[in-house]
Amino acid sequence: DVKVTQSSRYLVKRTGEKVFLECVQDMDHENMFWYRQDPGLGLRLIYFSYDVKMKEKGDIPEGYSVSREKKERFSLILESASTNQTSMYLCASSVAGGITDTQYFGPGTRLTVL
Amino acid sequence: GNSVTQMEGPVTLSEEAFLTINCTYTATGYPSLFWYVQYPGEGLQLLLKATKADDKGSNKGFEATYRKETTSFHLEKGSVQVSDSAVYFCALGRGADGLTFGKGTHLIIQP
Repeated sequence: DVKVTQSSRYLVKRTGEKVFLECVQDMDHENMFWYRQDPGLGLRLIYFSYDVKMKEKGDIPEGYSVSREKKERFSLILESASTNQTSMYLCASSVAGGITDTQYFGPGTRLTVL
Repeated sequence: GNSVTQMEGPVTLSEEAFLTINCTYTATGYPSLFWYVQYPGEGLQLLLKATKADDKGSNKGFEATYRKETTSFHLEKGSVQVSDSAVYFCALGRGADGLTFGKGTHLIIQP
């Protein structure tokens, strides 16, 4: 089975802190994604990566950055956390290819910024 | 641009009732379509998918048919169970650029 793990299930940070959310997948997938999930808004794509050291902006990249130094690991960085970044963050991965690709999701990290 | 619209929830049904959750989409080209399910406290799991017009995806008693003429991908199940209580997301694929999700439909099944 594909396994996508995220470093924390719950995280509480202070405004202005630098926050790292880590995601690791064990299926040698090329593509990795970060989404945030908010009530009434569904999931929105923040950043994605289709190769090591490659990154692309999603629909809502402002206030975030990412890092992909190894194929299996994709990190989401909040340079200076703000209260409007309180959310559930979901990581996903998929094999390279066309539009039929299934994405596999991690369990999510619920981040609270105080 | 791409967008997905699904019915607002929560949807509350009795056990063994028939379920329909509507999903329509707007997209360029011919995207793949997906239904994901999120059980309480968990991440999203793929429920079913369809990759071209008239395809029917099915899994665990759930079905959805890719209707290009109505740009729809409605989710159906003939007899729901309490264990089906979850949030259901319709999504369309953008290839390596990720998925575009609907806002989710919270389904509650009462015994």
